Amino acid sequence: GAGVSQTPSNKVTEKGKYVELRCDPISGHTALYWYRQSLGQGPEFLIYFQGTGAADDSGLPNDRFFAVRPEGSVSTLKIQRTERGDSAVYLCASSLGTSRSNQQFFGPGTRLTVL
Amino acid sequence: KNEVEQSPQNLTAQEGEFITINCSYSVGISALHWLQQHPGGGIVSLFMLSSGKKKHGRLIATINIQEKHSSLHITASHPRDSAVYICAVRGNQFYFGTGTSLTVIP
Repeated sequence: GAGVSQTPSNKVTEKGKYVELRCDPISGHTALYWYRQSLGQGPEFLIYFQGTGAADDSGLPNDRFFAVRPEGSVSTLKIQRTERGDSAVYLCASSLGTSRSNQQFFGPGTRLTVL
Repeated sequence: KNEVEQSPQNLTAQEGEFITINCSYSVGISALHWLQQHPGGGIVSLFMLSSGKKKHGRLIATINIQEKHSSLHITASHPRDSAVYICAVRGNQFYFGTGTSLTVIP
């Protein structure tokens, strides 16, 4: 079966532009997580969804970042007025639920470069 | 101070050696994850632990909740084990260590 997929795999944009990053979780997984990983760092939590709602968005760095999951499957991470510091790999993961027994499966990531 | 600390940051081993990577955390958690990240960025979840010990092939993960410490062991290491190993914990939110870069030399 298909794993978590993310598109695009690479995105280069200019400072100030708007970008959208997409995550397709594993079918049937109700929990979806967004992380970002800057060069040489471990992943950093951004937000997670249980179903359609954002259960925890405390990791979003500021109000330029927003994520949606309108039908409880595909999620889009939206970044407005991009800054060079937003350059990172954005990782998505999904799991069956959010209980301690649910393992997360990671997508390949989207490498965002802001020039 | 980071909520999750890993040691060592870098590790080079000869093929066949027994390897231990350590993770200490400072927050209350409901689960701890060990992740493997290969060059190119793909992340694979190796273990999720809330107590005790788990084993999968040559990999063993242990956790001591009282001491807030976990270890990942690799027995009979192989060059294909070369990767970054990341410890992550789930407390009020998710916290990640900065990873241990392992290189296994043939």
